[in-house]
Amino acid sequence: TQLLEQSPQFLSIQEGENLTVYCNSSSVFSSLQWYRQEPGEGPVLLVTVVTGGEVKKLKRLTFQFGDARKDSSLHITAAQPGDTGLYLCAGAPDRGSTLGRLYFGRGTQLTVWP
Amino acid sequence: NAGVMQNPRHLVRRRGQEARLRCSPMKGHSHVYWYRQLPEEGLKFMVYLQKENIIDESGMPKERFSAEFPKEGPSILRIQQVVRGDSAAYFCASSSNRARGSGANVLTFGAGSRLTVL
Repeated sequence: TQLLEQSPQFLSIQEGENLTVYCNSSSVFSSLQWYRQEPGEGPVLLVTVVTGGEVKKLKRLTFQFGDARKDSSLHITAAQPGDTGLYLCAGAPDRGSTLGRLYFGRGTQLTVWP
Repeated sequence: NAGVMQNPRHLVRRRGQEARLRCSPMKGHSHVYWYRQLPEEGLKFMVYLQKENIIDESGMPKERFSAEFPKEGPSILRIQQVVRGDSAAYFCASSSNRARGSGANVLTFGAGSRLTVL
């Protein structure tokens, strides 16, 4: 059973297009993180969202945490080939769980073609 | 480079052999976490350790797997009598301290050790 469901699983787009990927759960999280993972490497943290409804921007990337803290989205504006990678969301449960114990989604594999 | 260092990066073992994976946390980090990434699956938490203590091993298989983080030296994930299903990428992450309140604990991941069992 996957606690966090990510969609789409695969996304292939042309350079310059916009895209949104989603991370959904029926559980509440105290925080949610987005990572990007390159082939043969470990995940690299992009952002952490903590407050329901929070929006964070990182250059062309916009991250939103749902009001109920059960879901999140990542929007990329004017995608570039350098954005290609596996995007993972990971949540820390609301309480009573080991800090640092994250529940990961399976990821969205993004490919941006020149 | 003061990042999380894992070795070996690649390890090949035959069924029944032992695999030892090592992780040196970032400088100044005293909390270590091991995750496993199976093909087509997300990362799954295995164990959380501090120096000389296992804090949470609820994600570890009950048999054949063990982990330690001694006072001196790297953390080690040990898999005895490996089977083909153990083939996976094993990632170590470290953090500096426990988060306060509802804040997130920031983990830094290593590049992983890829175990292949023949």
